[in-house]
Amino acid sequence: GAGVSQSPSNKVTEKGKDVELRCDPISGHTALYWYRQSLGQGLEFLIYFQGNSAPDKSGLPSDRFSAERTGGSVSTLTIQRTQQEDSAVYLCASSLGAVTTDTQYFGPGTRLTVL
Amino acid sequence: AQKVTQAQTEISVVEKEDVTLDCVYETRDTTYYLFWYKQPPSGELVFLIRRNSFDEQNEISGRYSWNFQKSTSSFNFTITASQVVDSAVYFCALNAVNDYKLSFGAGTTVTVRA
Repeated sequence: GAGVSQSPSNKVTEKGKDVELRCDPISGHTALYWYRQSLGQGLEFLIYFQGNSAPDKSGLPSDRFSAERTGGSVSTLTIQRTQQEDSAVYLCASSLGAVTTDTQYFGPGTRLTVL
Repeated sequence: AQKVTQAQTEISVVEKEDVTLDCVYETRDTTYYLFWYKQPPSGELVFLIRRNSFDEQNEISGRYSWNFQKSTSSFNFTITASQVVDSAVYFCALNAVNDYKLSFGAGTTVTVRA
């Protein structure tokens, strides 16, 4: 079956602009995660959605970052007023969600470059 | 809090050599899961293995094998008879049962030369 898909694959933007990154999880997966991979920080957790529960936003680095998940499926990560330090690869993952330790399957990522 | 350490930053080998990647973890939880992921140049994280803290049996899958030793908090990964296609960054990760996010190590870059 289809894996996790993300779009766009690459995004170049100017400092101060807003960007939206999209994630389409594996069909039937109730849990969805966003991570960020950057040179200096490695792989960092950003946010977690599970079913209809309130998301865990504890990993979001600032209030410029927000995410939503519509209809329990597609998720959008929005970064407002982008800064150069936001440049990174943003990875989305999904899991069955039956238990917290279900295997997370990752998408190909969106490479964000802020000029 | 969980912590995963991959002390080896880069490993370079010639094709057909074996290569072992070290992973050491810290957690106060008694129930947890350990993972290995592969990230080839294309960038996607590919799941390789998931192992729970109560199962210390070694596992072999083709040319890949994993050695889990709870006594030393290690979950090492060996690629036997390496091939050029094994060139990638390999990440070890931990997921405690009372948490849901993966805590990743810094990754080990493996380069296999023909």
